[in-house]
Amino acid sequence: DARVTQTPRDKVTEMGQEVTMRCQPILGHNTVFWYRQTMMQGLELLAYFRNRAPLDDSGMPKDRFSAEMPDATLATLKIQPSEPRDSAVYFCASGPGSETQYFGPGTRLLVL
Amino acid sequence: ILNVEQSPQSLHVQEGDSTNFTCSFPSSNFYALHWYRWETAKSPEALFVMTLNGDEKKKGRISATLNTKEGYSYLYIKGSQPEDSATYLCARGDNFNKFYFGSGTKLNVKP
Repeated sequence: DARVTQTPRDKVTEMGQEVTMRCQPILGHNTVFWYRQTMMQGLELLAYFRNRAPLDDSGMPKDRFSAEMPDATLATLKIQPSEPRDSAVYFCASGPGSETQYFGPGTRLLVL
Repeated sequence: ILNVEQSPQSLHVQEGDSTNFTCSFPSSNFYALHWYRWETAKSPEALFVMTLNGDEKKKGRISATLNTKEGYSYLYIKGSQPEDSATYLCARGDNFNKFYFGSGTKLNVKP
């Protein structure tokens, strides 16, 4: 039963620290998405990749957030420096092209 | 930006009641409509993907219909059970698989 995996599951850090979240998409999926769950906006798209190339990162604060896919089995989302308002659950999802997206379990981030 | 709207925002029903909610979306250049079930503290789980006008999908007691000409989809739950309590999300997908999510309908089924 193939699944999207995310690490860490929970992260508590102090303001100003760098945070790196990792995602392993389902093998064979060529689209990868990063979402943030917020109380106000529900699921907010931060960035997405197709065949490892970034297609859209307009939802991401560029000054502190960065997203990369160093290879087909790893996607990363970094926040540097982190701020308390970044506290949220961050989901990664992958999909086999233009079909359903499959979500990982999420990383719960708390920035103090 | 595609505005996907869902109503109602929340719903409280008794066990055994049947219920339905609505997803509205722009009908132009339609590609696909997705429904997800999202339980608290878990990740969204895919229910249905629909692409053709008039599509109807069913999984157990849950079914969905699609009208791409007028831009809406209905999700029906027959004989609601407490385990159906969750937020139900719809998303319109484009041909690059980018999803535009609605804010969801939060369903609470009381025993």
